[in-house]
Amino acid sequence: ELKVEQNPLFLSMQEGKNYTIYCNYSTTSDRLYWYRQDPGKSLESLFVLLSNGAVKQEGRLMASLDTKARLSTLHITAAVHDLSATYFCAVGTQGGSEKLVFGKGTKLTVNP
Amino acid sequence: KAGVTQTPRYLIKTRGQQVTLSCSPISGHRSVSWYQQTPGQGLQFLFEYFSETQRNKGNFPGRFSGRQFSNSRSEMNVSTLELGDSALYLCASGDRTSYEQYFGPGTRLTVT
Repeated sequence: ELKVEQNPLFLSMQEGKNYTIYCNYSTTSDRLYWYRQDPGKSLESLFVLLSNGAVKQEGRLMASLDTKARLSTLHITAAVHDLSATYFCAVGTQGGSEKLVFGKGTKLTVNP
Repeated sequence: KAGVTQTPRYLIKTRGQQVTLSCSPISGHRSVSWYQQTPGQGLQFLFEYFSETQRNKGNFPGRFSGRQFSNSRSEMNVSTLELGDSALYLCASGDRTSYEQYFGPGTRLTVT
């Protein structure tokens, strides 16, 4: 059974600092997703990573995937308050299904 | 291109009643998945539909059911509501070309 573990679950950081959120998963997968969720809102798609070594960047966020280590990272550069949200990683199951298994989420708070 | 739409956005029901939620995927997407989000259990997969066929089902009781129509719109039904069914129900529209999955705004169900 596919399990997805994110850490840390809570992250409080100062504006301008860098930090990394980690996402480990237990079985082979060919799709890794990162989503952002603001309080009371739905999930906003950030990245989908499809191959080993894939790296994607959007603004201050950069995501990477190491399928051999079953690890994805979401790196935050020079954090700003607007990045405060909960970030989820999700892993796609194999066999043609589009089912995603989500981590518990990382609640990020960026303090001025 | 219009996004994923879900109706209704908010719903209050009493225990024992039943409820039907609706999801219209992005035009051209034939895959729809449903998820339940609660503070305690996080995001859990309910079911996945593609071309009117249920491809996968999560570990939920038989009170939870769904279907997909020929225009790709999907409905999920929960019968004999319990207090624990209070949650945000999210539907995802899948693009099988890019592997992106886009989430709708959700239906917040409160069972009293």
